[in-house]
Amino acid sequence: GQNIDQPTEMTATEGAIVQINCTYQTSGFNGLFWYQQHAGEAPTFLSYNVLDGLEEKGRFSSFLSRSKGYSYLLLKELQMKDSASYLCAVMDSNYQLIWGAGTKLIIKP
Amino acid sequence: SQTIHQWPATLVQPVGSPLSLECTVEGTSNPNLYWYRQAAGRGLQLLFYSVGIGQISSEVPQNLSASRPQDRQFILSSKKLLLSDSGFYLCAWAGQGETDTQYFGPGTRLTVL
Repeated sequence: GQNIDQPTEMTATEGAIVQINCTYQTSGFNGLFWYQQHAGEAPTFLSYNVLDGLEEKGRFSSFLSRSKGYSYLLLKELQMKDSASYLCAVMDSNYQLIWGAGTKLIIKP
Repeated sequence: SQTIHQWPATLVQPVGSPLSLECTVEGTSNPNLYWYRQAAGRGLQLLFYSVGIGQISSEVPQNLSASRPQDRQFILSSKKLLLSDSGFYLCAWAGQGETDTQYFGPGTRLTVL
């Protein structure tokens, strides 16, 4: 079967750095997406990785290793507004998105 | 720029009642459209997707149905709601490219009592 694993919940301090991991086992791979979802709201797109390596976008970076079936989202200089769930999704060989359950990130002052 | 609308934002319905949720997209033509359901603490579950008018693919057998009567309109329906239909329903659009990013509407919170 297809599976996406993320930690259920993480806690970090304002101003710090946090890394949210995602491991996957899917039938085929056509890219990995990260989304941010604030409580009660819709997911918003953060990043897309299809090749190995690190993609940086301001305070957020996303890393992919296809051989290890592994990705992480790195958030720097954490702000209170970064408190949200972070969803990892992999596009399989049929170009369908397989979603993880999400990681709830709690930021403390 | 593209925008996606969903309504209603929240809905409370009795078991056995019908359902109609609507999604419309502006600022793009011939988008791929998707209906997802999100249960608390779980990943998004793809319910239906459409690559064009009248073309609907169902991913999960259930008492829901979808229709696409116009290019930028996607409707989710049910004739008789079940308790298990409660959840957060999300509509999304993407371009026609196979790996295009999906962008979500604001969602509808459905509670079936």
